[in-house]
Amino acid sequence: QVQVLESGPGLVKPSQTLSLTCTVSGGSISSGGYYWSWIRQPAGKGLEWIGRFLSSGNTNYNPSLEGRVTISADTSKNQYSLKLTSVTAADTAVYFCAVSYNYDSSGLRFWGQGTLVTVSS
Amino acid sequence: DIQMTQSPSSVSAFVGDRVTITCRASQNIDFYLSWYQQKPGKAPNLLIYAASSLQSGVPSRFSGSGSGTDFTLTINSLQPEDSATYYCQQSYSPLRTFGQGTKVEVK
Repeated sequence: QVQVLESGPGLVKPSQTLSLTCTVSGGSISSGGYYWSWIRQPAGKGLEWIGRFLSSGNTNYNPSLEGRVTISADTSKNQYSLKLTSVTAADTAVYFCAVSYNYDSSGLRFWGQGTLVTVSS
Repeated sequence: DIQMTQSPSSVSAFVGDRVTITCRASQNIDFYLSWYQQKPGKAPNLLIYAASSLQSGVPSRFSGSGSGTDFTLTINSLQPEDSATYYCQQSYSPLRTFGQGTKVEVK
């Protein structure tokens, strides 16, 4: 059973870069058996898909964030990360990492507990 | 982008009732549709994948149906612990999108 856990700063200043890490256990990022995703949720609002990393190295991003978002992996640490540049208050949210099997109908099966990131000076 | 529209936005029902939530896609997504349950302060939990496949460990009172553009999540015999917000998500496009959510209140 794959388990994932988000970590990173809980407070980021406006215009700076938000950086989060998702540590994976019970599965290997380099195995190719999964897709590695990030989702966020502003307080009191719905879920927003941010993007995903595939073990092939391919990535897909939400067009509304494209140009600001990068998802990458460190296979030596079995972690993947999210970087979001030029943040504003609108980026304040709970950020989840989530994992699906490597077929499109899988659904997001394994979720982290989420980490709150506040953008404020 | 594929837009996902859920209805209703909220529903209130009694214990034992049947609740139906609808999710409509802005274009054909075949059967690439998942449903999630989210309780306050918690991560979402996968209920249904591939439109109608019940995730392991999910009670059988939950069921999903549909294909193409119209999908339904049904909760038979609603239980107090089913009070939550439910989201659909399409995985037809590499650019995944969620519905806006449906809040279910158990009276």
